[in-house]
Amino acid sequence: GENVEQHPSTLSVQEGDSAVIKCTYSDSASNYFPWYKQELGKGPQLIIDIRSNVGEKKDQRIAVTLNKTAKHFSLHITETQPEDSAVYFCAAPNYGGSQGNLIFGKGTKLSVKP
Amino acid sequence: NAGVTQTPKFQVLKTGQSMTLQCAQDMNHNSMYWYRQDPGMGLRLIYYSASEGTTDKGEVPNGYNVSRLNKREFSLRLESAAPSQTSVYFCASTTTGNSYNEQFFGPGTRLTVL
Repeated sequence: GENVEQHPSTLSVQEGDSAVIKCTYSDSASNYFPWYKQELGKGPQLIIDIRSNVGEKKDQRIAVTLNKTAKHFSLHITETQPEDSAVYFCAAPNYGGSQGNLIFGKGTKLSVKP
Repeated sequence: NAGVTQTPKFQVLKTGQSMTLQCAQDMNHNSMYWYRQDPGMGLRLIYYSASEGTTDKGEVPNGYNVSRLNKREFSLRLESAAPSQTSVYFCASTTTGNSYNEQFFGPGTRLTVL
């Protein structure tokens, strides 16, 4: 089955700086890579995803890049703001299970200091 | 739309007690999931239901049972709770088809087993 590694586990940045979170996956057949944001006391929420037919996708201050050769993908947040403070999870499909199943990374706790 | 709802929000059990966590979605989704979230471990899949009438084990099913009551509802039962089951439990749902889609998460149930 799929294995997803996520780094770093914690990340602290100053407001306005950029933040980068990296994930690697093991199954070369994987073709869908979502990122979820979990605010304190809430369930995770999808913020951006990328499919394997593109190398980069942007949505305002967030972007995701994908390198299928190296089997890694990254989340980039520019001009960070205090409300970006949260736990972020990457994920990849688990083809060992039913269609729709995801394997999640262990999460990155991002702290943005004002 | 309420999205995905979970009850209860908090629960304290003694070792050996049983309880059922309830989950319902109003988005007409086919697939539903139960995850547990532990510090440093990310989200781990307990059980899932790809469609009404089917359930399958995920990564960490031991000690749990599930019921897909109808298309809307998916419950998780702990028959004899153990301290190792202290965790935050999340229910999620998604449409399924030929490609992956966003999973929508509930607000979670925080369970403590003494």
